[in-house]
Amino acid sequence: DAKTTQPPSMDCAEGRAANLPCNHSTISGNEYVYWYRQIHSQGPQYIIHGLKNNETNEMASLIITEDRKSSTLILPHATLRDTAVYYCIAVKTSYDKVIFGPGTSLSVIP
Amino acid sequence: DVKVTQSSRYLVKRTGEKVFLECVQDMDHENMFWYRQDPGLGLRLIYFSYDVKMKEKGDIPEGYSVSREKKERFSLILESASTNQTSMYLCASSLSSLSTDTQYFGPGTRLTVL
Repeated sequence: DAKTTQPPSMDCAEGRAANLPCNHSTISGNEYVYWYRQIHSQGPQYIIHGLKNNETNEMASLIITEDRKSSTLILPHATLRDTAVYYCIAVKTSYDKVIFGPGTSLSVIP
Repeated sequence: DVKVTQSSRYLVKRTGEKVFLECVQDMDHENMFWYRQDPGLGLRLIYFSYDVKMKEKGDIPEGYSVSREKKERFSLILESASTNQTSMYLCASSLSSLSTDTQYFGPGTRLTVL
């Protein structure tokens, strides 16, 4: 699976959009971009995934660049409960294990 | 909704004790996983199982064993606990063995070995 790179930490003001970047410049054509988050003292939770097109669900939006070398997870109106570590992972359809990197620690500030 | 439960949120054991961590999922998932999470090291895979009585080593299996006698239950065993096994242990399940299947995690067990 392609390696992903994320900033170690970010801050966001409550009520504003949180834009979390992820670089995956070596991603291959059959690799999906997955996002999970882990709120303190809980297990990681799936947020969203995509292959080429932008995706939106009730939790977030995922914007993938046309060349697929990077993506952005958008939380449109961040709340204090969105404070968590966010993991961006490139996953291909295979039977390989999924590797969670260090992620981005997002702090939503009142 | 998939629910993955772990037997304890917090556990304190002594060096040399045998420790059992239990995980149960209620969605008939084939795959189950045990990870440990340590500051600065992220999630590391200990063992996973793709079927009853089947198990595969992950990245750090040393000092651990697992048991999967029923589909819904996956146990992690520390035969003789050591202080370097103090960690957060996370169980997860997924529908199948495909890596693109979403993993559903339990709340975690924070184990302290004294």
